[in-house]
Amino acid sequence: KNQVEQSPQSLIILEGKNCTLQCNYTVSPFSNLRWYKQDTGRGPVSLTIMTFSENTKSNGRYTATLDADTKQSSLHITASQLSDSASYICVVSADTGRRALTFGSGTRLQVQP
Amino acid sequence: NAGVTQTPKFQVLKTGQSMTLQCAQDMNHNSMYWYRQDPGMGLRLIYYSASEGTTDKGEVPNGYNVSRLNKREFSLRLESAAPSQTSVYFCASSDTGTGGFYEQFFGPGTRLTVL
Repeated sequence: KNQVEQSPQSLIILEGKNCTLQCNYTVSPFSNLRWYKQDTGRGPVSLTIMTFSENTKSNGRYTATLDADTKQSSLHITASQLSDSASYICVVSADTGRRALTFGSGTRLQVQP
Repeated sequence: NAGVTQTPKFQVLKTGQSMTLQCAQDMNHNSMYWYRQDPGMGLRLIYYSASEGTTDKGEVPNGYNVSRLNKREFSLRLESAAPSQTSVYFCASSDTGTGGFYEQFFGPGTRLTVL
């Protein structure tokens, strides 16, 4: 069964600090991996999408890495801001032609002043 | 350009009542999806529509029906609501990108409580 596990479940950091969120997956055959940001009470918004051949992708202060051999991904946030407080969801797409996405349960990040 | 819109934003039902959640997108996307999000769990696909005129079951379709009214609109119906259907429902849309991957754009969600 396809699964996506994220850690930690929740994280509190001080404004200006960096943090790294982890994602492990068992999805086959792998197509792509994406990170979404979900603000409280809102729908998820895409941050990055990475295919098998990409191992790093940045979007401003967000940098995602992918190791397809170990089936791990991380999302690094630099110089955190209060507006980074949200849930971050790792999503893996299987190349099955059914457009099937497997969602992780997310890491809830709280940035404190 | 509103993206994906959903109505209503909030709804409270009694067990056994029926209702329809509405979703519309203005991005000319071919594919549309309905998900539910429960506490501590990832989003789970209820139904999807790969293109106008087609629908298919996702991971958790029981208790739901869908209608792809036209290219823009995709509705989700609960015929006889149950407390287990208390959840936040998200509609999403996408088109097919190059290389076989696609980005999904999500609506703001409908928070449904079934008493």
